[in-house]
Amino acid sequence: DAGITQSPRYKITETGRQVTLMCHQTWSHSYMFWYRQDLGHGLRLIYYSAAADITDKGEVPDGYVVSRSKTENFPLTLESATRSQTSVYFCASSDGRGMTQYFGPGTRLLVL
Amino acid sequence: GDSVTQMEGPVTLSEEAFLTINCTYTATGYPSLFWYVQYPGEGLQLLLKATKADDKGSNKGFEATYRKETTSFHLEKGSVQVSDSAVYFCALSVGNTDKLIFGTGTRLQVFP
Repeated sequence: DAGITQSPRYKITETGRQVTLMCHQTWSHSYMFWYRQDLGHGLRLIYYSAAADITDKGEVPDGYVVSRSKTENFPLTLESATRSQTSVYFCASSDGRGMTQYFGPGTRLLVL
Repeated sequence: GDSVTQMEGPVTLSEEAFLTINCTYTATGYPSLFWYVQYPGEGLQLLLKATKADDKGSNKGFEATYRKETTSFHLEKGSVQVSDSAVYFCALSVGNTDKLIFGTGTRLQVFP
């Protein structure tokens, strides 16, 4: 199906483990984004990418790694998960012209 | 730096009541302004946007006017429905990177 998808939708992991959250879009949008959503903070940008092989830090990048080898995929890796990374993670994409971002359904991550 | 401030919730209304959710912003340059809506268990969806001063965005009975003189973009609806219950986020775009800065969100609860 066309659109933007995230996997897994729910994940429980332990402190210190590596976790990768996947994001895939079928529109060939140039821009992709990762946000985390926490109570009292709204959405905060973690990383974004303007095109394949181009990534840049957002507001809260520490502890996260991204890559973008293909336009349609933008995985987010927590190298060594911490409890403070318990959150809901949203991926989004845009075509870079209309500035409308389209969001995935989110991944709810719990770090024990 | 650039920021968005919106009224804290929850906002609780009866069906058919008038809705206002306040949003003010601080930005360098001339941002575009957005309202996104998040229904329970879902990702964010664009509700409306305005790209320059005095523009009015509208969708599904919701309206917001870009007021440069008061740096505001308040969301209004004349008659809310139970199905409007959701979290509403005000956001602004930064420069030409398509990055968004979000407010903390306002939860709207509409009762029959």
